Amino acid sequence: AQSVTQPDIHITVSEGASLELRCNYSYGATPYLFWYVQSPGQGLQLLLKYFSGDTLVQGIKGFEAEFKRSQSSFNLRKPSVHWSDAAEYFCAVGVIRSGGGADGLTFGKGTHLIIQP
Amino acid sequence: EADIYQTPRYLVIGTGKKITLECSQTMGHDKMYWYQQDPGMELHLIHYSYGVNSTEKGDLSSESTVSRIRTEHFPLTLESARPSHTSQYLCASSEYKNEQFFGPGTRLTVL
Repeated sequence: AQSVTQPDIHITVSEGASLELRCNYSYGATPYLFWYVQSPGQGLQLLLKYFSGDTLVQGIKGFEAEFKRSQSSFNLRKPSVHWSDAAEYFCAVGVIRSGGGADGLTFGKGTHLIIQP
Repeated sequence: EADIYQTPRYLVIGTGKKITLECSQTMGHDKMYWYQQDPGMELHLIHYSYGVNSTEKGDLSSESTVSRIRTEHFPLTLESARPSHTSQYLCASSEYKNEQFFGPGTRLTVL
């Protein structure tokens, strides 16, 4: 079965500094990959997605992510964070399961981003 | 504007009550999903539907049930709420390659 690991539970970054959130997945083939952001008490907003092709994908709010097949990673980056970026970030894997079963998303446990002034 | 809606946003209810969490989407998506999220934790799939009259259980066992009579509606029902059902419930829809769009969630507290 597929799995997603986000090794950092909490990350603290100063406003204006760069950011990298790590995500590793386990799956037998190339899955669909997603990053979502969740503000307190809210639903999830899609930041960016990777299906195929160019391994560097651009998303909303100035975020980007790079798919590295050799490392089974899909790390999220932003060159300069803003206080409004403080939130919970989830990496997710989407797979199409042959022989039945849901093609729902498998999520990591999330990384809580704290922005220092 | 195409969107996905959930009501109520917050619900506090006593043990033993029957509750229905509403989810509707105006995007015309065939696939819909329910996830359960405990505070500070990841989301777990509890139900999904590929279209009208299609419902299946997800990866995480849940005592809730769902129905899909209309494409745009995917309500979740708990026949007898218990404190162990306290959680956030998120509804999502999808049309293409698992790209899922989420509603704002319902935060359920069972006393």
